[in-house]
Amino acid sequence: AQSVTQPDIHITVSEGASLELRCNYSYGATPYLFWYVQSPGQGLQLLLKYFSGDTLVQGIKGFEAEFKRSQSSFNLRKPSVHWSDAAEYFCAFLTGGYQKVTFGIGTKLQVIP
Amino acid sequence: DSGVTQTPKHLITATGQRVTLRCSPRSGDLSVYWYQQSLDQGLQFLIQYYNGEERAKGNILERFSAQQFPDLHSELNLSSLELGDSALYFCASSNGYEQYFGPGTRLTVT
Repeated sequence: AQSVTQPDIHITVSEGASLELRCNYSYGATPYLFWYVQSPGQGLQLLLKYFSGDTLVQGIKGFEAEFKRSQSSFNLRKPSVHWSDAAEYFCAFLTGGYQKVTFGIGTKLQVIP
Repeated sequence: DSGVTQTPKHLITATGQRVTLRCSPRSGDLSVYWYQQSLDQGLQFLIQYYNGEERAKGNILERFSAQQFPDLHSELNLSSLELGDSALYFCASSNGYEQYFGPGTRLTVT
C-alpha cells in the first residue's frame, strides 16, 4: 500500500541545534515528494519539493531535504533551528495521474531556549 | 499568503445541520482539493476537482459533496452533521504538481 511514515510524532530541540525530521515512503516507483509546515492555526506552507535530479533540495526558511532512493527516505534538515521553527511538519508524496497527495501523520517540533 | 482563500474561518453548528464551505483558488489554478484535518485522523484527502469536473475521490463520506463552479471557486457541502465531523477543512489549489493551501475553515459541531 502507498504510505508515508513519519516515525517521530514529537521532537524537542534546543534553539541553535541542528534538526533532522525523518520521512519514509512506500510506493512502487519514485514519487514526487514534499515537505510542508503548519504553524498553529495556520494552513500548510510548502517548504520544499523533490521531483527528480539532484537528490539534495533546498527550500525556504533554511531547510533542505535529501532523497535517498535506497532507503525510500526524504529527511528534512536544518543546521540551526530558530524558535520560530516550532510548528508541525508534514511529509507528503504525490502519486497517480490525478495528483493525489498522501500525507504523513506529522511531526510536532518544539524549540526550547 | 498562498493566494487561496477560504470562508468562513470558523463555523459552529449543531448536529444534523448542513453547512457550506467555500474556497477560491489561486489565480490561474484549475485544480482544487479538499482535505479534512482532525486530531485522530490526521490530514485526509477528500476530493479533487479539475476545471469543474471531479477528478479524484478520497475518504469522503456520502453526506459530503463538493463542486467547482465555472469561475473555478469550489464549495464543500457537509450535511447531517455529526460531532465527529468537527475538524479543520482545508482547500488547496494547483496548476501542476505543487499544492497551495488555504488557511482553513474550523468547523465545530455541537
